[in-house]
Amino acid sequence: EVQLVQSGAEMKKPGESLKISCKGTGFRFTSYWIGWVRQMPGKGLEWMGIIHPGDPDTIYSPSFQGQVTMSADKSINTAYLQWRSLEASDTAMYYCARRGDAYILDFWGQGTLVTVSS
Amino acid sequence: SYELTQPPSVSVSPGQTARITCSGDALSKQYAYWYQQKPGQAPVLVIYQDIERPSGIPERFSGSSSGTTVTLTITRVQAEDEADYYCQSADSTGTRFVFGSGTKVTVL
Repeated sequence: EVQLVQSGAEMKKPGESLKISCKGTGFRFTSYWIGWVRQMPGKGLEWMGIIHPGDPDTIYSPSFQGQVTMSADKSINTAYLQWRSLEASDTAMYYCARRGDAYILDFWGQGTLVTVSS
Repeated sequence: SYELTQPPSVSVSPGQTARITCSGDALSKQYAYWYQQKPGQAPVLVIYQDIERPSGIPERFSGSSSGTTVTLTITRVQAEDEADYYCQSADSTGTRFVFGSGTKVTVL
């Protein structure tokens, strides 16, 4: 069974750093791209970017380029999303999702809620 | 930047048909995908490659495409179909994903 399991909710202060994770099981992790999607409170889905753990190659949405860093550790089938200096505006739910054929996001993680507040 | 346009909301009575449109220039070249998101849950794929339905998705969900507009149709709507629905595709270069703004389906 394909599963993406994300790390737990985080509560951080502005200026702090953070790295959240997404572990894939039930499929060959290094053969698929893993995407990240942001959902701010009460808002829609925003595509942040995508990483191929097997390469690792990354493509960022222009809106998130330079704001976050995507990485992966293929030895433990885990993708990461990190911030060097959080802002209150980073408060959101973050989802990872597996890219299947073409541009399909066929399996999603349960989401990681990040709250940034002083 | 590339955008996909959806109506903010659609209201429908139980047993009736709901239609949600999604418009964007690249839809004439790229497939569209539809996701259902219920409150507090992760999105779930309900239609892929414009018209295909994943296993486990009820037959009352269907997709169609015409030019630069794709449509998600839910026939015989049930209360459990109340959710937000997002279309998704790729830009014309095929390197970046894009989501529509989402449509809230309310079952009256």
